[in-house]
Amino acid sequence: GNSVTQMEGPVTLSEEAFLTINCTYTATGYPSLFWYVQYPGEGLQLLLKATKADDKGSNKGFEATYRKETTSFHLEKGSVQVSDSAVYFCALRGAYKYIFGTGTRLKVLA
Amino acid sequence: KAGVTQTPRYLIKTRGQQVTLSCSPISGHRSVSWYQQTPGQGLQFLFEYFSETQRNKGNFPGRFSGRQFSNSRSEMNVSTLELGDSALYLCASNLRDRPRGEQFFGPGTRLTVL
Repeated sequence: GNSVTQMEGPVTLSEEAFLTINCTYTATGYPSLFWYVQYPGEGLQLLLKATKADDKGSNKGFEATYRKETTSFHLEKGSVQVSDSAVYFCALRGAYKYIFGTGTRLKVLA
Repeated sequence: KAGVTQTPRYLIKTRGQQVTLSCSPISGHRSVSWYQQTPGQGLQFLFEYFSETQRNKGNFPGRFSGRQFSNSRSEMNVSTLELGDSALYLCASNLRDRPRGEQFFGPGTRLTVL
């Protein structure tokens, strides 16, 4: 069945450091891929998405490229801020439902 | 446009009780999905409703049930609560029949079972 695997956290970085959160997936067909972010006490918010191979999703300085050959959708940001501290979820949309990764907690220190 | 709303935001129950959680999707959204979020298991899919019909169901016991009303509002019910049911319950809505687009999440209901 479909599955999503993302790196375990927490990931702790200093402000302005480069961020990579790895995400790989297993799916039949051609799923859409998403990154969601959850701030403390809130629900999930869509950060970016990609619907087909080689698509690059981007938002708020975050980027991720849909790599079908490596079944990956790694999240990157060139310079993180303290306000980026949150939990990040990689997800794929299958035929009828989303499959989420376990989440990666990011802590950014000033 | 108002976002997805969930009520109540916090609940404390004791084992054996039952609980009903409510979700109002974004206006015009007809699909509603429910998820259970726990530190150990992450986000797990409970069920999805579209036009008052359950379209898909996750691997949860029959104690977990739901329904959707004609105005697209949805409720989920958990009977005979167990300690392990303590979690954040998230509701999400989306516009289309199948969730091809993004889902919009509510803030969740934090359920604590004592």
